[in-house]
Amino acid sequence: GDSVTQTEGLVTVTEGLPVKLNCTYQTTYLTIAFFWYVQYLNEAPQVLLKSSTDNKRTEHQGFHATLHKSSSSFHLQKSSAQLSDSALYYCALAATGGNNKLTFGQGTVLSVIP
Amino acid sequence: DAGVTQTPRHEVAEKGQTIILKCEPVSGHNDLFWYRQTKIQGLELLSYFRSKSLMEDGGAFKDRFKAEMLNSSFSTLKIQPTEPKDSAVYLCASSSGLGANYAEQFFGPGTRLTVL
Repeated sequence: GDSVTQTEGLVTVTEGLPVKLNCTYQTTYLTIAFFWYVQYLNEAPQVLLKSSTDNKRTEHQGFHATLHKSSSSFHLQKSSAQLSDSALYYCALAATGGNNKLTFGQGTVLSVIP
Repeated sequence: DAGVTQTPRHEVAEKGQTIILKCEPVSGHNDLFWYRQTKIQGLELLSYFRSKSLMEDGGAFKDRFKAEMLNSSFSTLKIQPTEPKDSAVYLCASSSGLGANYAEQFFGPGTRLTVL
């Protein structure tokens, strides 16, 4: 089956510095879509970014990610982290095959400190 | 447009009780999902419905967890009997179900369950 790996459980970064959250995946399907979800404390997960185009940069709210099928990755990056970015981030994969489920990674907590 | 709604927002149950959580998906969405969220396990899929038909019933959760979709706009998750290890946030989500490129799931605010 499909799998998504987020290697870091917790990433701590100082405000104003760049941040990168890693996401790699395994799937046997060709047509795929990727999502980054963000969940703020006591709120529901919500989509931050989504992409289905190889090697195309997607941006939203200062974050960006590029789907690289050659390396099976969809890392999330931001050039300057803000205190308000502190949250739980999930990477998720949707693959065709008669099933529209999302396969989620384990999640990464981003803590931005002053 | 109304998003996904879930009730109650908080539930406290004694061990052995039966509890029912409710979810209303986004109008027009064909797919509905129930998840359990914990700090240790992250998001775990409990059930998946497509057009009211049960597509997947999380294996590890089959014995005490039962989700139903009585109509296209309402679903319930019953936990019977509850155990302390069931304490978690239960999230409901829906999506259009039109394919992988439309698989974005919209989540409800969740129900925080505490079992004493």
